[in-house]
Amino acid sequence: AQSVTQLGSHVSVSEGALVLLRCNYSSSVPPYLFWYVQYPNQGLQLLLKYTTGATLVKGINGFEAEFKKSETSFHLTKPSAHMSDAAEYFCAVTFAGYSSASKIIFGSGTRLSIRP
Amino acid sequence: EAGVAQSPRYKIIEKRQSVAFWCNPISGHATLYWYQQILGQGPKLLIQFQNNGVVDDSQLPKDRFSAERLKGVDSTLKIQPAKLEDSAVYLCASSLLSGRVTGELFFGEGSRLTVL
Repeated sequence: AQSVTQLGSHVSVSEGALVLLRCNYSSSVPPYLFWYVQYPNQGLQLLLKYTTGATLVKGINGFEAEFKKSETSFHLTKPSAHMSDAAEYFCAVTFAGYSSASKIIFGSGTRLSIRP
Repeated sequence: EAGVAQSPRYKIIEKRQSVAFWCNPISGHATLYWYQQILGQGPKLLIQFQNNGVVDDSQLPKDRFSAERLKGVDSTLKIQPAKLEDSAVYLCASSLLSGRVTGELFFGEGSRLTVL
């Protein structure tokens, strides 16, 4: 069965510092991996995705993530945090090439706080 | 392009009462999803429609929850009777491609339900 685990329900960094949000998945077939962001009282918005090809993917707002098959990880990073990055971040997984019945499974989320 | 529309944004009801949520997906999106997001958790898929057919409703509590998408466009999610544990945000999402799942979902702002 597929699953996704986000390590750390809350991460706090200083403005200008590196942001690192961790995501690990389990899957017996090649995954598609996603990061979504949710601002207060809003729905989720896609930040970036990995399907096939280059393992380092870049998204909106300066975020990027690297798919590491050997580590079953898809950690999200941003070199320099900005106050506007404060939000909830969700990692999600589904499986390549499949029918519309394929589920998209979300992690439990990591709340990112930015200190001035 | 208009986004996914949901209403109402907020609803407070007593336990054992009923409630209905409405969703209008992005025009042309064949797949529609209803997710339940309990505070501090990631979204959990309740039901997935492909046009007006149900693809996955394995996690829908069918004794109290029902959903329909009669004309393959907008959808209604109903809870009757509501329980305290149904307090959550109900997120509607849609995606463009039918068949192959890409994981790129477009979310509405959600309907926050409080059951007293």
